[in-house]
Amino acid sequence: EPEVTQTPSHQVTQMGQEVILRCVPISNHLYFYWYRQILGQKVEFLVSFYNNEISEKSEIFDDQFSVERPDGSNFTLKIRSTKLEDSAMYFCASKVQAGLYGYTFGSGTRLTVV
Amino acid sequence: QKEVEQNSGPLSVPEGAIASLNCTYSDRVSQSFFWYRQYSGKSPELIMSIYSNGDKEDGRFTAQLNKASQYVSLLIRDSQPSDSATYLCAVNAANSGGSNYKLTFGKGTLLTVNP
Repeated sequence: EPEVTQTPSHQVTQMGQEVILRCVPISNHLYFYWYRQILGQKVEFLVSFYNNEISEKSEIFDDQFSVERPDGSNFTLKIRSTKLEDSAMYFCASKVQAGLYGYTFGSGTRLTVV
Repeated sequence: QKEVEQNSGPLSVPEGAIASLNCTYSDRVSQSFFWYRQYSGKSPELIMSIYSNGDKEDGRFTAQLNKASQYVSLLIRDSQPSDSATYLCAVNAANSGGSNYKLTFGKGTLLTVNP
């Protein structure tokens, strides 16, 4: 069964450093998302991406965050200057088509900012 | 603020029993509804989706939707220890541009099935 692949599975970074989280969505999917889940809290929407542009972003997704699909397969989330409160599980997700269907989540990247 | 609320857990049931999980949502324009299962430290896994009022059955799982009451539930029949996980209710409403379809999640209900 096709999977959404995320790397790395765990990243530890110092506060203020830049991190890039990588995702390879399912190959025929067109809609891409990043979510995060702080330990013990809800899964929260960060950003949606379609047709090479952001279609919506949440309040969390401020100027420190950016997304890119540089080569038609990878989908990356960059955090420019990490803060302690950025520590969370980050999930990439994708879906194949428009319409109100569920989507497939990747296995996640646990980001720890120290 | 669009909210999704789930009945507070944890919920503990014996093996073979029916587990009932509930969810309410605040946004009346919500159009589709999902149940995800999340094992500890893992990503959400889609187990059920429902779009219209009524019941939808898939194996041991039944999702029920009542849009008038803004209520969606998940029943798990013949619960197994492997069903022990956190169950997340998620609600989806297309944004005005129609290209978003973001999900709003509830906090989840932790289900424990005891052998």
